[in-house]
Amino acid sequence: DVKVTQSSRYLVKRTGEKVFLECVQDMDHENMFWYRQDPGLGLRLIYFSYDVKMKEKGDIPEGYSVSREKKERFSLILESASTNQTSMYLCASRRQPPNYGYTFGSGTRLTVV
Amino acid sequence: QQQVKQSPQSLIVQKGGIPIINCAYENTAFDYFPWYQQFPGKGPALLIAIRPDVSEKKEGRFTISFNKSAKQFSLHIMDSQPGDSATYFCAASKRAGNMLTFGGGTRLMVKP
Repeated sequence: DVKVTQSSRYLVKRTGEKVFLECVQDMDHENMFWYRQDPGLGLRLIYFSYDVKMKEKGDIPEGYSVSREKKERFSLILESASTNQTSMYLCASRRQPPNYGYTFGSGTRLTVV
Repeated sequence: QQQVKQSPQSLIVQKGGIPIINCAYENTAFDYFPWYQQFPGKGPALLIAIRPDVSEKKEGRFTISFNKSAKQFSLHIMDSQPGDSATYFCAASKRAGNMLTFGGGTRLMVKP
């Protein structure tokens, strides 16, 4: 069974901390994505990566950065966590188009206090 | 700017009822419309998808209806069951394979 694994289910961090959210997929997918999920706002794209060392900004990249040094791993970095970054973070992966099925991880619920 | 608007935000139906979730989009370049189902503690999973060259698609108890002229599409769940209780997201993209734009989600509860 294919999998996207997010390293933490729950995280609590302090304002100003540097936070790393890790995502690993075992499907040899080229494309990987980071979304945040907030009630009523759906899923909003933060960053995506077409391939190793490649990254593109999504709709809400401010306050975030990403790293993709290996094909299977895509990290989301909050350089200086703020309370408005309290959210559910979802990682997803997909083969190159024309395949379009996203496989999502189970999410990381981050609370910034 | 939300390019895909979803309603209602929450919905409660009795077992056997037919919940209907609606989505409207603005971008006429969208041509791929999937629905995702998310159970608590899980990531969203693809449920069913439609292209604009058909007006309806059925998979089991789930049906998508598509109205290209109105730029609207909806999900119907026939004979709903408590196990269908989940959050449902509609989405759209310009081509299958492009980035998905998601609606705001609908939390469905099916009462026994």
